[in-house]
This record gives sequence, structure tokens and C-alpha cells, in this order.
Amino acid sequence: DAGVIQSPRHEVTEMGQEVTLRCKPISGHNSLFWYRQTMMRGLELLIYFNNNVPIDDSGMPEDRFSAKMPNASFSTLKIQPSEPRDSAVYFCASSTSGRKGNEQFFGPGTRLTVL
Amino acid sequence: GEDVEQSLFLSVREGDSSVINCTYTDSSSTYLYWYKQEPGAGLQLLTYIFSNMDMKQDQRLTVLLNKKDKHLSLRIADTQTGDSAIYFCAESEGGSYIPTFGRGTSLIVHP
Repeated sequence: DAGVIQSPRHEVTEMGQEVTLRCKPISGHNSLFWYRQTMMRGLELLIYFNNNVPIDDSGMPEDRFSAKMPNASFSTLKIQPSEPRDSAVYFCASSTSGRKGNEQFFGPGTRLTVL
Repeated sequence: GEDVEQSLFLSVREGDSSVINCTYTDSSSTYLYWYKQEPGAGLQLLTYIFSNMDMKQDQRLTVLLNKKDKHLSLRIADTQTGDSAIYFCAESEGGSYIPTFGRGTSLIVHP
């Protein structure tokens, strides 16, 4: 299994531009999570999906952030417009409930820099 | 709400034992986890323990759980430079698949 796949691995953009981060979860996993990691705030859960349905988006910082999961094998996190304070590493993770204590499998992350 | 606390840094000498501590507040926690994050990578599950256990050993790793004090620790025996990473403590309830993560402890192993 290839594990959770994220693209791009690095993104550098200018303030005001739209940014789209992509994630392919592990096949067969029914839960998908988007996290943001910064030195200041650590690891923050932004949103999670169960069976492609958004369950809790209370961690999404602002309306500039949106996430979709059109099917079981693909999800996007979009920031529009981007701001310098959005600079962080964004992780996607997937899991399947009931297996190994609900272990989460993380992707390698996308390092976003907004200038 | 749930809270998971851990110290931010730990420095040890190669060959010594490392002990990373964590406290949590949710008394209904069912699973407690230790994840490891190496530089430039995502988190990876190291080990986990059910709340009805008080100890779990896996090679160089020993997890101790004091449920009364809501205290979890991870001991790494014979720490190596390859163990340098950030270690995250996390907990979740049985009916939930959403772990609550701590801030992570950066383990620095020096010769």
C-alpha cells in the first residue's frame, strides 16, 4: 500500500492567491482528517470526514478555508485568498474505525509558504 | 474539553534511557497513543495502550499508564540518535475515532 498521498509536497505562493492541497487516503479507510501544524499552535485538527461526509469543521480557522471529499479516494483543502499567517505544514490522515485502536495514518504533509 | 499536556523538549545522551511524560484530562479515554514524527515526515503510530492496562512493552519501548493520575509515559531504552524526533501523546474515547493530540515532545539525542 502506498500510504496516504499528499500533493504538492511544497507550495510557495503570494498573498491573495488561491491554494489547493490534495490528498488520497489509504484505500478502504472511511475517515479522513486535515490537520495544520505550526510551531506556535502545534497540531490542529481542521476538519474530518466520515464516509465522504464532513462531520466536524469547527477547526477550520476562517471562511477562507474550505474542504471537499467528492469520493472515497480524494479530498482537497482550499485556501482562498491565502495569507502569510496560513504558512504551515498541512497533513492529511486517514483511518478506519475499529482497527488497531483507530490508528491514524498520516501523509507526508504539504509545506505551505505564503509570502 | 479534553486536554493533553506534555513537555516540549527532552535531551538525553546516546545509550541512556529516555522517559517522555504526558498527562490528560479526559476520564473516559479508552485508547492512549504515542506517535513519532521524524523530520520532514508525518506522524506515525509507535504504540498504543488500552485504558484497562497499566503497562505495555515492545522491544525498547515501555508504556506505563497511571489511570488514577491520568498519566502516561513512554520509556525508550538505550536511546539512539535515530530516536531523535517529536513524540506525540494522544488519547481517544472508545466510541470516537478522533484522537486528541498533545503539543509533542522534541527528543534530542546527543553523543
